[in-house]
Amino acid sequence: AQTVTQSQPEMSVQEAETVTLSCTYDTSESDYYLFWYKQPPSRQMILVIRQEAYKQQNATENRFSVNFQKAAKSFSLKISDSQLGDAAMYFCAYSAYNNNDMRFGAGTRLTVKP
Amino acid sequence: GAVVSQHPSRVICKSGTSVKIECRSLDFQATTMFWYRQFPKKSLMLMATSNEGSKATYEQGVEKDKFLINHASLTLSTLTVTSAHPEDSSFYICSAFWEGSNTEAFFGQGTRLTVV
Repeated sequence: AQTVTQSQPEMSVQEAETVTLSCTYDTSESDYYLFWYKQPPSRQMILVIRQEAYKQQNATENRFSVNFQKAAKSFSLKISDSQLGDAAMYFCAYSAYNNNDMRFGAGTRLTVKP
Repeated sequence: GAVVSQHPSRVICKSGTSVKIECRSLDFQATTMFWYRQFPKKSLMLMATSNEGSKATYEQGVEKDKFLINHASLTLSTLTVTSAHPEDSSFYICSAFWEGSNTEAFFGQGTRLTVV
């Protein structure tokens, strides 16, 4: 079974600074997808960024980027120029290539200090 | 982007009664929908996979007779919590998958169920 581990229950960053959230996963598959989702207080799940495992290039979405290390099964999220609106729970998620049910990590609560 | 609407957003019911939660894909056909449960300050736990026109696939430990799932059309899946008890109180979230979305899942707003 696939597992997703987020070892940082809480993280804090100063506004305008950079923060990295960690995620590791375990799978025997070679093709799969990895995601970072943001869950603000409204509880609505918002996709932040997605990475296809077959792509070597790290995904980037504006201030959000990932460091995907397939051999190490690591998938960290870097948030640059942190903003107050970035404060939320962040979940790392895994989805197999041919099976779309997502498995989520325990989450990291990010606090942004003004 | 695609929109998934979940209703109701909040519901309070008495112990022993049943409550139905709806998950609708508003602008796309969802061949597969997923139901998650989220405890306070915890992660999303997959309960079941709902496939249009067939029986749902439940995760280990999820009581299929308590959590009835029906996916009668390509735009609607329902989760019915039967004979609800206070321990069923939780936040329930659905997501829908559209084959044209490159494996992106679209999430509903969630339903906070409180059983009193």
